[in-house]
Amino acid sequence: GEDVEQSLFLSVREGDSSVINCTYTDSSSTYLYWYKQEPGAGLQLLTYIFSNMDMKQDQRLTVLLNKKDKHLSLRIADTQTGDSAIYFCAESMSSGSARQLTFGSGTQLTVLP
Amino acid sequence: DTGVSQNPRHKITKRGQNVTFRCDPISEHNRLYWYRQTLGQGPEFLTYFQNEAQLEKSRLLSDRFSAERPKGSFSTLEIQRTEQGDSAMYLCASSSTGAEAFFGQGTRLTVV
Repeated sequence: GEDVEQSLFLSVREGDSSVINCTYTDSSSTYLYWYKQEPGAGLQLLTYIFSNMDMKQDQRLTVLLNKKDKHLSLRIADTQTGDSAIYFCAESMSSGSARQLTFGSGTQLTVLP
Repeated sequence: DTGVSQNPRHKITKRGQNVTFRCDPISEHNRLYWYRQTLGQGPEFLTYFQNEAQLEKSRLLSDRFSAERPKGSFSTLEIQRTEQGDSAMYLCASSSTGAEAFFGQGTRLTVV
């Protein structure tokens, strides 16, 4: 079956880098995503990576994909207090039209001053 | 604002009542998804529309739940005879042919 796992909590100091990790089980995943959720709000798409890539960089965000180990990570450089939120990893197994996502339980990132 | 819009943002209802939520996707998106998120968990897929056709339904979507997208634009999610276990955030997302799915702010349902 499908399962996406993340550690529950991460604390970092402002200005440091944050690394949030995720493992997934379905090797047929086509896209892997990172979403951010602030309290009481919906999900904000941060970035995504196609399964045939191993790295993607977008400003302060770097996504690394190790397909052999089914491991995905999100690195946030120069973490700011505004980055405090819950970060969800998600995978999409659907090829073709649907983008049905399976989410992890989220990692609560706390940025300390 | 051209993002995904959901109404209402909050709904409190008594157990046994029916509720209906609305989602307006990004205008050029032909695909629409409903998810449910309970406290401390990630969203779980409920159902998917391509244009007006409902193409996928999760086992989570019991027969008390019905979703429609009559003209391929906005969608409604109705829950009949609500139960306390239905209390959750209901999220709508939309996408086009690309990989990106964009979420709305959600409707928080509390069943008392």
